[in-house]
Amino acid sequence: GAVVSQHPSRVICKSGTSVKIECRSLDFQATTMFWYRQFPKQSLMLMATSNEGSKATYEQGVEKDKFLINHASLTLSTLTVTSAHPEDSSFYICSARLAEAYEQYFGPGTRLTVT
Amino acid sequence: LAKTTQPISMDSYEGQEVNITCSHNNIATNDYITWYQQFPSQGPRFIIQGYKTKVTNEVASLFIPADRKSSTLSLPRVSLSDTAVYYCLVGDIFGGAAGNKLTFGGGTRVLVKP
Repeated sequence: GAVVSQHPSRVICKSGTSVKIECRSLDFQATTMFWYRQFPKQSLMLMATSNEGSKATYEQGVEKDKFLINHASLTLSTLTVTSAHPEDSSFYICSARLAEAYEQYFGPGTRLTVT
Repeated sequence: LAKTTQPISMDSYEGQEVNITCSHNNIATNDYITWYQQFPSQGPRFIIQGYKTKVTNEVASLFIPADRKSSTLSLPRVSLSDTAVYYCLVGDIFGGAAGNKLTFGGGTRVLVKP
């Protein structure tokens, strides 16, 4: 149980375009979802915390107007990278948390390449 | 959130036991210790979690001394497929919004050789 999926797994886009990444909890309802970014050979960096039905909370240094997060249901959160630039190329990972639980279940990640 | 310190990398051989120690000197009373495993281009996978003493599951053991300022993840009889990055995280599982956050440190890159 506790499976989290992401779509797409890989995406290549041109500079200036926007890309949407979906994160779904497949067999449980996630009150909270998290979005991370990971550059090569580096650790995961938390970008934002997404609660269903409310605005996301962004970490310091993460531009909320550039990384739009929508958590419209208990099983789906989306991250939209707007006006992407090559420096946004990274591995984006989401995780989902069950209500009243600490453990987070991570998705398989999305590799974004901006050309 | 308590800061964690782990060795950057470790090498081992198939069949050996691998022990990774994580320091968390500023661990708070309500903090739990959790370890995750990450393979290249994949999301992290939960391995084990504990509060004090020893916890064991089907894949690993977690040893936590009485002062809780460190913890050791033990992987028995590793295989080549255990080559991965292992992260130690510390957090208050009942801490509301703040406790929900996971702060990843640098992790330990374990290489298992044949």
